[in-house]
Amino acid sequence: EVQLLESGGGLVQPGGSLRLSCAASGFTFSSHAMSWVRQAPGEGLEWVSAISNSGGSTWYADSVKGRFTVSRDNSKSTVFLQMNTLRAEDTAVYFCARGGIRVGSTSCFDYWGQGALVTVSS
Amino acid sequence: DIQLTQSPSFLSASVGDRVTITCRASQDISSYLAWYQQKPGKAPNLLIYAASTLQSGVPSRFSGSGSGTEFTLTISSLQPEDFATYYCQQLNSYLRTFGQGTKVEIK
Repeated sequence: EVQLLESGGGLVQPGGSLRLSCAASGFTFSSHAMSWVRQAPGEGLEWVSAISNSGGSTWYADSVKGRFTVSRDNSKSTVFLQMNTLRAEDTAVYFCARGGIRVGSTSCFDYWGQGALVTVSS
Repeated sequence: DIQLTQSPSFLSASVGDRVTITCRASQDISSYLAWYQQKPGKAPNLLIYAASTLQSGVPSRFSGSGSGTEFTLTISSLQPEDFATYYCQQLNSYLRTFGQGTKVEIK
């Protein structure tokens, strides 16, 4: 059974940092790109970042570029999101998602974690 | 960046109704579109990919169509478990943006 489990969320002050982890199981992790998607309270989904299966390529939304860094450790089946210089508007539930089905040159998300809440407030 | 606009943003319907949600892209994205369903407090669930391919395990009352810049998600006969928010997502670029969502509520 495919499982994605996020951890590392919490309360952080504006300007602070936080690192999210997403531990994967039930599939060959190194064969799949992974993404992070967030959802602010009462709002819609926002794609945040993605990383290729090897970790050699990464992509970011303009709203987080230069502040967030995505990485992965295929030996531990884990993807990370390092979030620096956090702002109030980064407050959201952060989901990790598996790029499981190839569509064109990218992939859609066939499995999602349960989400980790990040609250940026003083 | 590619923008997606869903309409309507809110929809009130009854059990058994046929429901259609539209997603318009700011540029041609071929058939590179997915649809997700999200219920409160839960992660999204993939319904349709490549504009019209039903994900395994998704009921056949869900269907998708369209290409280029205009796409639709249709629920042929709304069931109680279908009351949720629906999102489209473009897969044409690596920056995989979502539409703003369509909330389907009980009339």
